[in-house]
Amino acid sequence: KAGVTQTPRYLIKTRGQQVTLSCSPISGHRSVSWYQQTPGQGLQFLFEYFSETQRNKGNFPGRFSGRQFSNSRSEMNVSTLELGDSALYLCASYEIPTGVGGYTFGSGTRLTVV
Amino acid sequence: GQQLNQSPQSMFIQEGEDVSMNCTSSSIFNTWLWYKQEPGEGPVLLIALYKAGELTSNGRLTAQFGITRKDSFLNISASIPSDVGIYFCAGQLAGTSGSRLTFGEGTQLTVNP
Repeated sequence: KAGVTQTPRYLIKTRGQQVTLSCSPISGHRSVSWYQQTPGQGLQFLFEYFSETQRNKGNFPGRFSGRQFSNSRSEMNVSTLELGDSALYLCASYEIPTGVGGYTFGSGTRLTVV
Repeated sequence: GQQLNQSPQSMFIQEGEDVSMNCTSSSIFNTWLWYKQEPGEGPVLLIALYKAGELTSNGRLTAQFGITRKDSFLNISASIPSDVGIYFCAGQLAGTSGSRLTFGEGTQLTVNP
């Protein structure tokens, strides 16, 4: 099976702009989660989607949003970018709806806000 | 945000030595997971633990799910240079309303040949 694919791998944006990141889960996986990784805060949970519905959300401002399509692919959007949004954004997919069985992570999208 | 207490933060060891790292939490988790992350990549799952007290091995790696469900440890035996990377513990809460991982701060492992 192909792994979790995230695009783009690298992105540079200017403060105030918005950005959309994409994630294609492993074939057959219907659940997708997003995490933000920074040196200061580590790995933080953003949100989780299953069957096109957001099931779970972390403690991030409303500028961070996401969605999932009928083919399980997911996108996350960050509006009005701030310097502090610079991070590695990781997507993870898993096979069982409850999440038991382990998450498989993509390689991430490295976002730099200047 | 909430994180697990993972220690040590870093380790510098000689090839062939054994390594031990652990995580503690004030919260109970359904599942404990251990991941390894290398530069420029996402975390890769090493071991998943599903029951309190469970001891699981994966090659030279051994991990245990604490009896209280609030802690876990990972041991690496006979380390080799390719073990270099950052190791993360993660506690998982999962149910019908969703699932999320809470991560430790990571242990940076350096192995000297």
